[in-house]
Amino acid sequence: KAGVTQTPRYLIKTRGQQVTLSCSPISGHRSVSWYQQTPGQGLQFLFEYFSETQRNKGNFPGRFSGRQFSNSRSEMNVSTLELGDSALYLCASSWDRRTYEQYFGPGTRLTVT
Amino acid sequence: AQKVTQAQTEISVVEKEDVTLDCVYETRDTTYYLFWYKQPPSGELVFLIRRNSFDEQNEISGRYSWNFQKSTSSFNFTITASQVVDSAVYFCALSNNNDMRFGAGTRLTVKP
Repeated sequence: KAGVTQTPRYLIKTRGQQVTLSCSPISGHRSVSWYQQTPGQGLQFLFEYFSETQRNKGNFPGRFSGRQFSNSRSEMNVSTLELGDSALYLCASSWDRRTYEQYFGPGTRLTVT
Repeated sequence: AQKVTQAQTEISVVEKEDVTLDCVYETRDTTYYLFWYKQPPSGELVFLIRRNSFDEQNEISGRYSWNFQKSTSSFNFTITASQVVDSAVYFCALSNNNDMRFGAGTRLTVKP
C-alpha cells in the first residue's frame, strides 16, 4: 500500500510570492489534514478536508487555503508569503481524522527569503 | 480550548533503561481521542497508538506500554529496555470534532 506523498519536497520562495503544495493520500482515505511544523511553534493544525469539503480550520490567517479533489488529493496554497511561513508542511491522511490515526507524508520544506 | 502538555522537552537515557514520557491534556469534551506519534531523525511521523476517551484500559505492545488515566487527564508512554533505535521525538496528540492538538514533543536520546 503506497504511503502519503507530498510534492515538492523542498521549495524556496521570496516574500510576497505564493506557493502551492500537493498531497496524495493513501488510497481509500477521504480525510486529508495539513500541519505546519516549526521549531518555535511545534506542530500546528492548519485545516482538514473530508470528501472535498473543508471540515475544520486551525487558527491561521486567510492567506492559508486549501482544497481537495474528488480523488482525495489535496493542495494547500499560501499567498503573500512572509518570512515566518518558513516551515515544514506536513500532510496526513486518515479514514477520519477525528477518530482514526493519521498517516503522515514526508513533508514539504518551505523556505521564504 | 484543547491543550496538550509534554513537560519533558528532552530525555537522555542509556540503552536498556526504562523511560516514561509524560502527556497531560485539557479538554471540555467527553468524547475525544488521544494518540502518540514518533518522529525519528528521518522526519516522517509514525503512528504508535490511539485511545478513545471511554477506553481507559492500559495497553502493552512489545516494549511499549501506555497508561491512560482520565482522573488525572494523563496518557503516559513507557518504553521498557530502551534501544538506540528508540531515539526520536515523541508527540502526544488530542483530537475532537473541531480540532487536533499536538504537544510540543519530547526528544528522547538513547545512548549505547
